[in-house]
Amino acid sequence: DARVTQTPRHKVTEMGQEVTMRCQPILGHNTVFWYRQTMMQGLELLAYFRNRAPLDDSGMPKDRFSAEMPDATLATLKIQPSEPRDSAVYFCASGLVTGTAQETQYFGPGTRLLVL
Amino acid sequence: TQLLEQSPQFLSIQEGENLTVYCNSSSVFSSLQWYRQEPGEGPVLLVTVVTGGEVKKLKRLTFQFGDARKDSSLHITAAQPGDTGLYLCAGFPISGTALIFGKGTTLSVSS
Repeated sequence: DARVTQTPRHKVTEMGQEVTMRCQPILGHNTVFWYRQTMMQGLELLAYFRNRAPLDDSGMPKDRFSAEMPDATLATLKIQPSEPRDSAVYFCASGLVTGTAQETQYFGPGTRLLVL
Repeated sequence: TQLLEQSPQFLSIQEGENLTVYCNSSSVFSSLQWYRQEPGEGPVLLVTVVTGGEVKKLKRLTFQFGDARKDSSLHITAAQPGDTGLYLCAGFPISGTALIFGKGTTLSVSS
């Protein structure tokens, strides 16, 4: 049963520290998304990649957030320096887009981040 | 900015009751999806509706896409405790490339 995996599942850190979250998309999927979920804002798209190339990162604070796909099996989201307002659940999702077909997104279990 | 408004935000009902959750927008979407999210997990896709007026059924769940493709509803018949969770609607904008999510409806079904 193919699944998106995310590590770590939980992270508690202090303000100012660097945080790195990792995601392994489902093998064969060509699109990877990073979302942030909070009670106030709901699920917000931060960035997404297709065939490892960044397509849109307009939802991401550029000064402290960065997203990369070093290879097809790994996507990373880094926050440096972290701030208390970054506390949220961060989800990775992957999907397969072919032509104009709307993809189904498969979500990982999320990384629950708490910045003190 | 295209927004999807979901209502109600919270819903607490007894087992066996029926309920409807709404997802509304002023924008047209090429398709709309419904997800369910359980605590500690990521959202899981329930259904995709593509055609205006389309109705899809998934056991006790009935999904409808508005004729103008601006709104959708989810109706649950005879709710069960296992239906408890966060229900999210998400739409693909006509001119966009990524899903837009509503803030969700938190459903609690007690036995």
